[in-house]
Amino acid sequence: SQTIHQWPATLVQPVGSPLSLECTVEGTSNPNLYWYRQAAGRGLQLLFYSVGIGQISSEVPQNLSASRPQDRQFILSSKKLLLSDSGFYLCAWSVLASGNEQFFGPGTRLTVL
Amino acid sequence: GENVEQHPSTLSVQEGDSAVIKCTYSDSASNYFPWYKQELGKRPQLIIDIRSNVGEKKDQRIAVTLNKTAKHFSLHITETQPEDSAVYFCAPSSSGTYKYIFGTGTRLKVLA
Repeated sequence: SQTIHQWPATLVQPVGSPLSLECTVEGTSNPNLYWYRQAAGRGLQLLFYSVGIGQISSEVPQNLSASRPQDRQFILSSKKLLLSDSGFYLCAWSVLASGNEQFFGPGTRLTVL
Repeated sequence: GENVEQHPSTLSVQEGDSAVIKCTYSDSASNYFPWYKQELGKRPQLIIDIRSNVGEKKDQRIAVTLNKTAKHFSLHITETQPEDSAVYFCAPSSSGTYKYIFGTGTRLKVLA
């Protein structure tokens, strides 16, 4: 069966510090991968998605970036965090053949102070 | 791009009553209509979905109905229980899409 991992689970970082969040998927090949951000009490904002290694599409201009160095690995980064980067970051995967359902990771709660 | 709206944004019901949440979308090419449930501090999880060749689908206390002509679909929960309290999201999409637009969410509170 497929599983998706994210780490760390929680993170507290000072403004201006760098960020690296990692997501890995097991049990499937060539998944579509996604990064979402959810502010407290709000909806899911799509940040990036990737349909293959090295292929990244950005949805929202910001100080974040994403990379996909391996088929089942997706990384979210920032060189300098802002207060507004605080939120719940969710990684997700889907395979079109499975009918568009998205499977979410457990999330990383980021607090920028 | 796709415009997705959910109503209501919050909903409080007494335990045992029914709850209905509506999702309206703009893309006429949409043919996959899921509902996700997100409990506090947890990840969203699919609870039910429907495709455009079906008008209604039911799974125990949960059902989804689709009106493609009017471009909306609804989540129905009957005999609500406290554990149904959560935020519910819709995310209509079309075959072959890589991009998913989620609705703004509906916070359901079931009062014991």
